[in-house]
Amino acid sequence: GAGVSQSPSNKVTEKGKDVELRCDPISGHTALYWYRQSLGQGLEFLIYFQGNSAPDKSGLPSDRFSAERTGGSVSTLTIQRTQQEDSAVYLCASSLRGGQRETQYFGPGTRLLVL
Amino acid sequence: AQSVTQLGSHVSVSEGALVLLRCNYSSSVPPYLFWYVQYPNQGLQLLLKYTSAATLVKGINGFEAEFKKSETSFHLTKPSAHMSDAAEYFCVVSDISAGYSTLTFGKGTMLLVSP
Repeated sequence: GAGVSQSPSNKVTEKGKDVELRCDPISGHTALYWYRQSLGQGLEFLIYFQGNSAPDKSGLPSDRFSAERTGGSVSTLTIQRTQQEDSAVYLCASSLRGGQRETQYFGPGTRLLVL
Repeated sequence: AQSVTQLGSHVSVSEGALVLLRCNYSSSVPPYLFWYVQYPNQGLQLLLKYTSAATLVKGINGFEAEFKKSETSFHLTKPSAHMSDAAEYFCVVSDISAGYSTLTFGKGTMLLVSP
């Protein structure tokens, strides 16, 4: 079956613009995760969804970041008023139920560059 | 919170030589540990995982890792390196301290393979 897909694969934007990043998880996976990979910070966790709910949004870097998931499937990560420090690769992952032993399957990422 | 430390940001080996990538973890509870690999310009792929069954875990592409509780280590090995093994390797712990499972990544080790 299809893996995790993300779009766009690359995004270049100007400082101050809003961007939307999309993640389509593996069909049937109830758990969905967003991570960010940047040179200075390595790989860091942003937010977790179980179904359509995100129990904890404290991992989001600032209030310019928001995420939603609809229909227990596709998720969108939105960054408002982008800043240069938002430049990074944004990775989405999904797992079957969110259990600690489960494998998280990663998408190819969206490479965001803020000029 | 749980954490992992990878020793060496870069490891260089010759083709055919032993690969040893070091990882130590910090956890107050039995950890669930993973090794992920990231090939250039690609997403993260699971190599292997330890979930408290056998301490010696075999993964894809000839890699294996041994969980040693006494040393709090989970080093990754491969008897004979191949050029195609050149990639970045991440030691990862599944952290449940937030009340749900997220992955905490080490800083990564870039494996360089020379002919």
